[in-house]
Amino acid sequence: DTAVSQTPKYLVTQMGNDKSIKCEQNLGHDTMYWYKQDSKKFLKIMFSYNNKELIINETVPNRFSPKSPDKAHLNLHINSLELGDSAVYFCASSLSGRSLYNEQFFGPGTRLTVL
Amino acid sequence: QQQVKQSPQSLIVQKGGISIINCAYENTAFDYFPWYQQFPGKGPALLIAIRPDVSEKKEGRFTISFNKSAKQFSLHIMDSQPGDSATYFCAASTLSSASKIIFGSGTRLSIRP
Repeated sequence: DTAVSQTPKYLVTQMGNDKSIKCEQNLGHDTMYWYKQDSKKFLKIMFSYNNKELIINETVPNRFSPKSPDKAHLNLHINSLELGDSAVYFCASSLSGRSLYNEQFFGPGTRLTVL
Repeated sequence: QQQVKQSPQSLIVQKGGISIINCAYENTAFDYFPWYQQFPGKGPALLIAIRPDVSEKKEGRFTISFNKSAKQFSLHIMDSQPGDSATYFCAASTLSSASKIIFGSGTRLSIRP
């Protein structure tokens, strides 16, 4: 009965490689997000999609490209990985990003380690 | 630019004591102030939230106190239990950008048995 799921849970890779993280939600929400949590636990939004439309695109290197094939999925592709990309990446979803009081539900996270 | 400042960074409280985490914000357009709780190896989860038209909200042992004029809000955990040990994030968002939540830097809370 997982609400927001991410794969893989752990990802270890070499610098310069390209990798993808997948996210799926079964809550019927129409807004999905990607967050980055660094080693100091600081949590920062990267992207947000509403019904497959990009609505938030923070100052993120263009090596990061989100893709939403449908409103239940939001994948994150990262090109030319760098050491500084090492972090935990969280996917989240909410009923509607247009409403102020909607709770965001987070996935379990993907710990990315770039060697 | 950190729009939501949170303190302390870490906190140790004896079982049964009161845990207090403080946050301050700069943007007066913020309209919604949620608190998220994160256990090790898990994603954050909404704990409790408040709107600026009320000064206090209580849910069980958890209370948010809100001071609009001072632009400060705090989380109080009464009768703290070892199971409350987690990282707590205060956050804020605005009506104009409802899906964008600005998180504080987090407080790692440890409750000693």
